Amino acid sequence: EAQVTQNPRYLITVTGKKLTVTCSQNMNHEYMSWYRQDPGLGLRQIYYSMNVEVTDKGDVPEGYKVSRKEKRNFPLILESPSPNQTSLYFCASSFSGGELFFGEGSRLTVL
Amino acid sequence: QQPVQSPQAVILREGEDAVINCSSSKALYSVHWYRQKHGEAPVFLMILLKGGEQKGHDKISASFNEKKQQSSLYLTASQLSYSGTYFCGTERWNSGNTPLVFGKGTRLSVIA
Repeated sequence: EAQVTQNPRYLITVTGKKLTVTCSQNMNHEYMSWYRQDPGLGLRQIYYSMNVEVTDKGDVPEGYKVSRKEKRNFPLILESPSPNQTSLYFCASSFSGGELFFGEGSRLTVL
Repeated sequence: QQPVQSPQAVILREGEDAVINCSSSKALYSVHWYRQKHGEAPVFLMILLKGGEQKGHDKISASFNEKKQQSSLYLTASQLSYSGTYFCGTERWNSGNTPLVFGKGTRLSVIA
């Protein structure tokens, strides 16, 4: 089944404790992206990747890191999480310019 | 640059029609439309490419006016299942290196 898989789906952590949210897709998509969703602000892009080893900042990249060492994986790293990073995170992938397939979302709470 | 959606929210009775607009201050190459139901991930509805095309998806259709830099989503004879938040996403050009930027969404509620 074609899908985008994110883990963990839910996480409560404390300020400063490094965490990684994994994202994996099985559709051989070149394009992958991370979005955060907050009430009233829509889907804001954090980072995106056009292909392996090619990543670029979106609109809200501060406090996040990404890497794209393999085509299927695009992890999101929070080196030192802060409460303002409490949010719902979505990973998505597509062929370039095509339909975006979203993961189920990861709800992160930083205390 | 984030596209602007209007209205922010709309309430309809079953069977009524609605229009959701998406506009940009920059020239656009394509517009995507997605629907997100509460507690779920956004789901793709359609893509429109420049050229003034119009597309349909069941009783949901859309138009794209590249000169006006705007797109509209038309929901006809709305059903309860149409409830959710609708997002437009825009691409500024087809260089292969542009991300999709989403608007803030329009919350649609269909009531019996």
